[in-house]
Amino acid sequence: ETGVTQTPRHLVMGMTNKKSLKCEQHLGHNAMYWYKQSAKKPLELMFVYSLEERVENNSVPSRFSPECPNSSHLFLHLHTLQPEDSALYLCASSLNLRDSGYEQFFGPGTRLTVL
Amino acid sequence: GQNIDQPTEMTATEGAIVQINCTYQTSGFNGLFWYQQHAGEAPTFLSYNVLDGLEEKGRFSSFLSRSKGYSYLLLKELQMKDSASYLCASMDSNYQLIWGAGTKLIIKP
Repeated sequence: ETGVTQTPRHLVMGMTNKKSLKCEQHLGHNAMYWYKQSAKKPLELMFVYSLEERVENNSVPSRFSPECPNSSHLFLHLHTLQPEDSALYLCASSLNLRDSGYEQFFGPGTRLTVL
Repeated sequence: GQNIDQPTEMTATEGAIVQINCTYQTSGFNGLFWYQQHAGEAPTFLSYNVLDGLEEKGRFSSFLSRSKGYSYLLLKELQMKDSASYLCASMDSNYQLIWGAGTKLIIKP
């Protein structure tokens, strides 16, 4: 595997379910990100991790819970979501957090539908 | 507040040239990124500008004017595979990317 991978690619869940999204990067990067992408809206940054430490939580509801066990893996745990949480969830990584000029590499995303 | 503006949708003809504009207002500035995103796929990096001027990379070029808070992406010799959304993002003083909503580019034969 190369680049950034995400599983599952598609997820349908009820509002009372608990599920987790997984992201893995094979690039040796130190920073990882979770974004939410809704139709016709800008990418919303949810969480940022640098060397496994969470450095940013952009006012995300507590029903989203991130976990970064090591610099290659990132999880997003989902619990009692709302229909408006339906979106594409993208994981990204970059070489370092506070360096300009380094692009972020994105995974293919998980298309989440909350019923 | 922080804001990125770009057109919602543009249409162009195969073989032609198209310019996608982006204006930005961010707290601090550490560069301007352009990404391409095909439907159902991940965004992929196209270009990065931090100094004023034009950066050329094959059929794609990107321009930056920091004094005007303005950038554009220029696509030449358009191909059908260029049909995609193009995302503009400004890196702020905290090295966070502030994203535009994207410009959907439709290429017609």
